[in-house]
Amino acid sequence: GNSVTQMEGPVTLSEEAFLTINCTYTATGYPSLFWYVQYPGEGLQLLLKATKADDKGSNKGFEATYRKETTSFHLEKGSVQVSDSAVYFCALSLREGAQKLVFGQGTRLTINP
Amino acid sequence: GAGVSQSPSNKVTEKGKDVELRCDPISGHTALYWYRQSLGQGLEFLIYFQGNSAPDKSGLPSDRFSAERTGGSVSTLTIQRTQQEDSAVYLCASSLVGSGFPYEQYFGPGTRLTVT
Repeated sequence: GNSVTQMEGPVTLSEEAFLTINCTYTATGYPSLFWYVQYPGEGLQLLLKATKADDKGSNKGFEATYRKETTSFHLEKGSVQVSDSAVYFCALSLREGAQKLVFGQGTRLTINP
Repeated sequence: GAGVSQSPSNKVTEKGKDVELRCDPISGHTALYWYRQSLGQGLEFLIYFQGNSAPDKSGLPSDRFSAERTGGSVSTLTIQRTQQEDSAVYLCASSLVGSGFPYEQYFGPGTRLTVT
């Protein structure tokens, strides 16, 4: 089946630290990959995406590269800010059918000043 | 422009009662999705609409759950004879539809359902 596994949280870092949140997937077809973010009190919003192998998605200083050989899509940011505190979800979607999102369990990130 | 809206934002109901949750998608979005976010199960897909039809209902957890969409717009998720395990945040998302690469899904703020 299709599934997403992301690193367990919660993760707590100091401001300006380097961030990595690991994400791996299994898929029956060729998926597109996404990172969604849920800020406190707000709805889910798309952070970045990649639709084919070796694509790099980037937004707000965050990056993730679609690695087909390792079935991974790790999220990175070089210098985090307090405002990055949120829950981050890795997700996949197949190109056929409903194109529904399959989510990882979410990683709660807290950045301390 | 207006995003996806959901109502009510919060619903507290007694076990055994029926509830209806409403979703207003972004105008022009033909695809509509319902997801559920709960502590035990994370974020899980429930049902997908393409226009008014639901070609994928595979995520509905039991026959107590049903959904409809009318006029290619508003959707209602109905839960009959609610149980405590139905307590969760119910999220609606909408998107454009195309072949090949999936379009971005835009999420509403959710309805928090508490079954007492």
